[in-house]
Amino acid sequence: SYVLTQPPSVSVAPGQTAWITCGGNNIGSKSVHWYQQKPGQAPVLVVYGDSDRPSGSPERFSGSNSGNTATLTISRVEAGDEADYYCQLWHSSTDHVVFGGGTKLTVL
Amino acid sequence: QVQLQESGPGLVKPSETLSLTCTVSGGSINSYYWSWIRQPPGKGLEWIGYFYYSGSTNYNPSLESRVSISLGPSKNQFSLRLSSVTAADTAVYYCARVAMTTAVTDWGQGTLVTVSS
Repeated sequence: SYVLTQPPSVSVAPGQTAWITCGGNNIGSKSVHWYQQKPGQAPVLVVYGDSDRPSGSPERFSGSNSGNTATLTISRVEAGDEADYYCQLWHSSTDHVVFGGGTKLTVL
Repeated sequence: QVQLQESGPGLVKPSETLSLTCTVSGGSINSYYWSWIRQPPGKGLEWIGYFYYSGSTNYNPSLESRVSISLGPSKNQFSLRLSSVTAADTAVYYCARVAMTTAVTDWGQGTLVTVSS
């Protein structure tokens, strides 16, 4: 089965940039999506198709994907960005949905 | 804007079958992939499976022997059945819509199901 690896935690000061990575074998050839989940809430899609933003997702959220790593970048981090972030893809050879283990973003 | 709402028992006994229903409003089930995703307390997201409106299904291999996802009981609903549950199946269960982009674009609010005697 296909495995997505995320760091358990990332810390960043307000106003700085946060990078959250998602590692997978040749992930650059796949379409990666990112979700933000705040405590007690359902996840919310913040980036899809590696780098597109759905309506309502702030411009501060961006994504990239190459080689074996996809990255979610959050610019000018705010206290309200503190949440868990998950990467996800559709593994085309099995048609399975795969989630990364999640990264807790702490705003210092 | 499609909305999804999970319903079903919040408490299930060990070895019994967990059954949940998702009601879809504001859109038709006749397209897209309709999925169930769960999240054990304090842990990450786990995909359970989906069905496509044409009737095809696909399940997480780790749950495949115990899970069934189907359309109904009403035409704007789809259901999850997970048999032989144990405490490890205690989780918040989400129903969700997967768009053609393969991203999960819409989520229900989630329902906590506890497996306990």
